[in-house]
Amino acid sequence: DAGVTQSPTHLIKTRGQQVTLRCSPKSGHDTVSWYQQALGQGPQFIFQYYEEEERQRGNFPDRFSGHQFPNYSSELNVNALLLGDSALYLCASSWGLAGSSTGELFFGEGSRLTVL
Amino acid sequence: EDQVTQSPEALRLQEGESSSLNCSYTVSGLRGLFWYRQDPGKGPEFLFTLYSAGEEKEKERLKATLTKKESFLHITAPKPEDSATYLCAVQATGGSYIPTFGRGTSLIVHP
Repeated sequence: DAGVTQSPTHLIKTRGQQVTLRCSPKSGHDTVSWYQQALGQGPQFIFQYYEEEERQRGNFPDRFSGHQFPNYSSELNVNALLLGDSALYLCASSWGLAGSSTGELFFGEGSRLTVL
Repeated sequence: EDQVTQSPEALRLQEGESSSLNCSYTVSGLRGLFWYRQDPGKGPEFLFTLYSAGEEKEKERLKATLTKKESFLHITAPKPEDSATYLCAVQATGGSYIPTFGRGTSLIVHP
């Protein structure tokens, strides 16, 4: 049973560039959430996708955008990169907006973005 | 606004030295409180969900408890492989099912 897969695992960009991160949810899951985790911090919610629409959004600027495809996979795009965007970007999947009865989220191993 | 505060930020233990991690929270209404384990450079891995005060869950050397204001993660006779960051998250009642995470406690267990 494939878990949540993310790509790329590591990448380095310079300020002002754009980046696209990709996520395939766990088999059987249809909802994808993206989180940003800076060093020494907890995951911060960016947005959630369900049925190819952004359903909820955290306190992140419009530079952060996303997409969900018919096969439930998702992309996170960040434009005009800033130094402060350096972080581990985590994708989490679940079934439906409410998730499982335990509330468990299944996380991928993340994409480590470094902005120079 | 939902808030989650974890303490201590970092904890060093000797193998076999039991201790507890704390997670205090402020939410209008609690739907669930979650504990996750995160190894360096990896995504969080689910451990427990607690729903109501007085509830306890156990898994190997870990036991999670819940009161109306806080949760504890008790680690009994830890081993070096228990070294990780432990994250607490709360899910509030209402329309959103998005959990709010704390900053985590970094645990190092020395052999």
